[in-house]
Parts: sequence; C-alpha cells; structure tokens
Amino acid sequence: GENVEQHPSTLSVQEGDSAVIKCTYSDSASNYFPWYKQELGKRPQLIIDIRSNVGEKKDQRIAVTLNKTAKHFSLHITETQPEDSAVYFCAATSNNNDMRFGAGTRLTVKP
Amino acid sequence: EPEVTQTPSHQVTQMGQEVILRCVPISNHLYFYWYRQILGQKVEFLVSFYNNEISEKSEIFDDQFSVERPDGSNFTLKIRSTKLEDSAMYFCASRDRPNIYGYTFGSGTRLTVV
Repeated sequence: GENVEQHPSTLSVQEGDSAVIKCTYSDSASNYFPWYKQELGKRPQLIIDIRSNVGEKKDQRIAVTLNKTAKHFSLHITETQPEDSAVYFCAATSNNNDMRFGAGTRLTVKP
Repeated sequence: EPEVTQTPSHQVTQMGQEVILRCVPISNHLYFYWYRQILGQKVEFLVSFYNNEISEKSEIFDDQFSVERPDGSNFTLKIRSTKLEDSAMYFCASRDRPNIYGYTFGSGTRLTVV
C-alpha cells in the first residue's frame, strides 16, 4: 500500500517569511495529492490539491508542486501570517487505493 | 456547503463496553471512510466502504471493529469491546467519486475510554 513520508515534523517561521513542507510517496500509481490544515481540536480541512497531470498549482499564498519522477510533492506558503499556524498533513491516493496521510507538520508563525 | 456530520462529539466509555460512532455523509457521496487520530499523532486510515461493503481496511481495523450503513443516510463505526488504546478522535469522511474531490471530513468524535 501507499506510504507517505512528511518533513519536517515541526516548523517555526517569522511572520512574513515563507514555509515549505515536503512529502514523498511510495506508490507510483498515486495520482491525487491533497493538503489538509488542521487547527487544534478541529477536523482536517482541504486547502489545496494537485493531480498527477499537473506540476504546480497556486492559490493566493499557497502553492503545491509535484515531481512524479521523484515521487515527491511540496506545500509552499508565502507571506505567512499567525493564522497559518496549524498542523498540515499531506496525503496521497490513487483510483485503487484509499487516502494515506503523512505524519503532519506543526507550523508555528511567530508575530 | 454540504457537511459530513458526526455524533456524538465526545463519548466517554468504560473499558470493555461497546460504542457506536455515527456519521451522516454528504447525501450524494458514494465512498465512505473512517479515520482515527490519536492525540498529537497522524490521521490513520481505518476502513473504506463502497456499495454496501468494505472495500479496504487497515491492520488497525481488527475484529473488534465493524461498520454499517443501516439506512440511506447513516454510516456507523462500532467498537465491540473498547480498550484504553482506542481513545482517539475518530473522523468520518466521504467523497462522491475517486480523485474528483478531496475527502470531506466530519468534525470528529472524541472517544475517551476509561
């Protein structure tokens, strides 16, 4: 089955700086890669996703890149704000496999 | 915006007791999931359900666990004899087709086994 690795486990940045979170996956059949943001005590919320036929996707301050050859994908947050502080999970899935999550990255944005 | 609803939001139970966690997926969704998140840890896949049967289950989903879709709207997770280590947040999720949209998660049920 799919195995998703995520790094770093914790990340602390100054407000206004960029944050990058990286994930790798094992199953070359995976073709859909969502990112979830989870605030304390709340459900994971989908913030951006990318499909395997796309190399990069951007939505305002958030972007995701995908390298299918290397089987890794990354989340980029620019101009970070204190409200970006949360745990971020990457995930991977394919038509035949259910979604598997990375271990999460706790992002702290210091004002 | 359509939501996945879960009840109860918090359940406390004695070790060895049976619990049923309830979920109402989004009405036109066809694929249903249960995930578990132990406090401070990753979201772990338990089971997926499609066309009235389990399509995949993880090693966590042993004989103590079962799922059911008793009617057209509810999707339940039953733990037959709870253990202390079953204490976690349990999330239900649904989607309408593979790889069309990400999963929509419910707000979770916090299960505390004492």
